Amino acid sequence: QVQLVESGGGVVQPGGSLRLSCEASGFTFSAYGMHWVRQAPGKGLEWVAFIPYDGSKNYCADSVKGRFTISRDNSKNTLYLQMNSLRAEDTALYKCAKDINNYYFDHWGQGTLVTVSS
Amino acid sequence: EIVMTQSPATLSVSPGERATLSCRASQGISNNLAWYQQKPGQAPRLLLYGASTRATGIPARFSGSGSGTEFTLTISSLQSEDFAVYYCQQYNKWPPWTFGQGTKVEVK
Repeated sequence: QVQLVESGGGVVQPGGSLRLSCEASGFTFSAYGMHWVRQAPGKGLEWVAFIPYDGSKNYCADSVKGRFTISRDNSKNTLYLQMNSLRAEDTALYKCAKDINNYYFDHWGQGTLVTVSS
Repeated sequence: EIVMTQSPATLSVSPGERATLSCRASQGISNNLAWYQQKPGQAPRLLLYGASTRATGIPARFSGSGSGTEFTLTISSLQSEDFAVYYCQQYNKWPPWTFGQGTKVEVK
């Protein structure tokens, strides 16, 4: 079955960097676009970034544009999110999600927690 | 950006009763809407897409309707496992893909 397992979260100071990973299994990773979605504590879902199946483009939310970069390594079945210049408002549980036709998300990971605090 | 607004924020329902959740888009999105269920500590689960098509394995008690700007998720007879937070999400115009703020369905 489809499994998405995130890692790389932790506590980081404002202005710092982190790289999140999402290891995929149970499906042909190289055939599907992938997203990052975050959820601040006690809050709703916020889309962060998307990358198509071949990594040819990437899209980011305005709130993270210029600071976050999504990428993928299809040989390793792994999705990444490079997060730079982190702010307190980036504190959230970051989840990766499998895309269907650039439309909706049919499988999600449990998430990895990022806390930005001094 | 298309803003999605869900109501109510919290819905108190007794087991076995019907629950009706609403989602409104700030502009027309045709039927390009998905619904998700999220339980505490769990990943979101896709319930419906195309506003009314149930995802694989989703029970028939979950149904969706609407088009344009107004949408409804109905749970016909609430089971104990249905108490959760529900989110709508539009995919008519992206980026960004946008979610509603969620409706919590709790036990009355």
